[in-house]
Amino acid sequence: AAGVIQSPRHLIKEKRETATLKCYPIPRHDTVYWYQQGPGQDPQFLISFYEKMQSDKGSIPDRFSAQQFSDYHSELNMSSLELGDSALYFCASSKDDSYEQYFGPGTRLTVT
Amino acid sequence: RKEVEQDPGPFNVPEGATVAFNCTYSNSASQSFFWYRQDCRKEPKLLMSVYSSGNEDGRFTAQLNRASQYISLLIRDSKLSDSATYLCVVNMDTGRRALTFGSGTRLQVQP
Repeated sequence: AAGVIQSPRHLIKEKRETATLKCYPIPRHDTVYWYQQGPGQDPQFLISFYEKMQSDKGSIPDRFSAQQFSDYHSELNMSSLELGDSALYFCASSKDDSYEQYFGPGTRLTVT
Repeated sequence: RKEVEQDPGPFNVPEGATVAFNCTYSNSASQSFFWYRQDCRKEPKLLMSVYSSGNEDGRFTAQLNRASQYISLLIRDSKLSDSATYLCVVNMDTGRRALTFGSGTRLQVQP
């Protein structure tokens, strides 16, 4: 079965640079979520979108923004990167009528 | 205090053993409950949703006790491939879709 696709899988950036992470949800899933998992931490919810509208917001820094496009894929834009932004970034998707979320393989961001 | 609490383990068990994990959650209004499995540096994978009536999927049984606000996962006949971190996950608020994760319980099944 098709799964959530994330790209890139690995990304290395320097401090103060910008990064864009992409997420392609499972076909027919209309809700996308972004989570950040730091080293040794559990995943923390950042933001979610339903039908291209922001549906919920968690602990997302102001330096980050995200959107969902007409084909339901989503992008997480991160600016003025800091060393502490180094983490695994997971995208998950779900159907609107379900709370079950399916996670992509993640993007490992390293900020040097 | 964390919103979802788990014993971090590790639980070291021999193959074939039965092992149980518990998890407690703080918000009595929580509606949806899940167990996810996470292998090292990989994504969380949905193992099973947890229903009030309890549910079973092969060797895995999940139970929910709303009165005590805890969730359990029982694994029977452990396999080497069951070695992973098991995450207790809760949707805390019916108005939101965000999931709140426990820190996970590490299971190591030994030959």
